[in-house]
Amino acid sequence: DSGVTQTPKHLITATGQRVTLRCSPRSGDLSVYWYQQSLDQGLQFLIQYYNGEERAKGNILERFSAQQFPDLHSELNLSSLELGDSALYFCASSVGEYNEQFFGPGTRLTVL
Amino acid sequence: DAKTTQPTSMDCAEGRAANLPCNHSTISGNEYVYWYRQIHSQGPQYIIHGLKNNETNEMASLIITEDRKSSTLILPHATLRDTAVYYCIVRVPPTGNQFYFGTGTSLTVIP
Repeated sequence: DSGVTQTPKHLITATGQRVTLRCSPRSGDLSVYWYQQSLDQGLQFLIQYYNGEERAKGNILERFSAQQFPDLHSELNLSSLELGDSALYFCASSVGEYNEQFFGPGTRLTVL
Repeated sequence: DAKTTQPTSMDCAEGRAANLPCNHSTISGNEYVYWYRQIHSQGPQYIIHGLKNNETNEMASLIITEDRKSSTLILPHATLRDTAVYYCIVRVPPTGNQFYFGTGTSLTVIP
């Protein structure tokens, strides 16, 4: 158990819908990261927040957005969902801005 | 961008040492090398990281060449539970802590 929690574990929705994935970092960690893992793409970095501020952006679609709240939890919002958005979404956290990352168990999103 | 190259797959006999190589010839001088593993579809698990010197913890040892262009992760006594995909990772510059995972090495520990 890494100490990073993600909810929900599984999410099934339809194309065109919007969903929110939630992440609580390890106690004391200030950075939160989001990654997407699909069968054909592997683990892809989406975005990093550090103490509420965006720090790095990867292959995150414009339909996706994220934020980190004052209590340091983070949410990833996915809108106008497409079949290709079906994937595992992992959250990770680290104590600082440039440290090893600890991953949560993931949210499996299925878009039908 | 700093990238890594790893063999696609490896086998190792149970109880023997598993040596997983990684090439990272474009790594910057101040960048760490990280190793993670992923079992089935679980969240990646942190193993170890290093900069220049060899490192050891309760899970594994990390050997980094003097020129820092390659490294080897050593699992001293592989068990069946070590069967996983192992990722050698360096950060993607210039900002943030963006990890590039690559395709990793699928390690199968054979009884």
